[in-house]
Amino acid sequence: DQQVKQNSPSLSVQEGRISILNCDYTNSMFDYFLWYKKYPAEGPTFLISISSIKDKNEDGRFTVFLNKSAKHLSLHIVPSQPGDSAVYFCAASLGGSQGNLIFGKGTKLSVKP
Amino acid sequence: DADVTQTPRNRITKTGKRIMLECSQTKGHDRMYWYRQDPGLGLRLIYYSFDVKDINKGEISDGYSVSRQAQAKFSLSLESAIPNQTALYFCATQAGTGGNQPQHFGDGTRLSIL
Repeated sequence: DQQVKQNSPSLSVQEGRISILNCDYTNSMFDYFLWYKKYPAEGPTFLISISSIKDKNEDGRFTVFLNKSAKHLSLHIVPSQPGDSAVYFCAASLGGSQGNLIFGKGTKLSVKP
Repeated sequence: DADVTQTPRNRITKTGKRIMLECSQTKGHDRMYWYRQDPGLGLRLIYYSFDVKDINKGEISDGYSVSRQAQAKFSLSLESAIPNQTALYFCATQAGTGGNQPQHFGDGTRLSIL
């Protein structure tokens, strides 16, 4: 059973507008959530994270929101740029002595000029 | 130079062959991981190692084995490759404990088993 779900396989947005990528999870024991970006022929690169005790974390154009009661998080990209076109993975960590990440299936973002 | 280097980048081989994928890192991280990615799926954990003497199975370890030769090197082996092991394989490193320590990935090995 999937513990981390990204229900939208793809998203298309106009340059300059907001991109919102969504992620749902089932395990309330996750202590950190992370977003990774992946370009073709490259490995995933870390983008931004949020602790389970926070509800928002911002880094430049990227903001992650966490709604623990709904077990939902979202990544906002404002403004979107063509270079943001990539696959975005949501991942969750069980914390403690483990650093293992559980990944969603990814959402392919296309930002059109 | 890349911090996490995977070799080879691409490999085509036949069913039944033994294959080794190698990962080396210059980040000085103790923790290393092997994942596989299949089309339309996220990354799934195969094996992980917290230091040279520590090896742990992940979600999908059957059919795979690993060796942690040194802090900087972590190899993944397929003893007898089968077609459903065709996938994109990623190695990752992590500085320490805690989910706030992001993992750093290599650029992957694309493995095709005929």
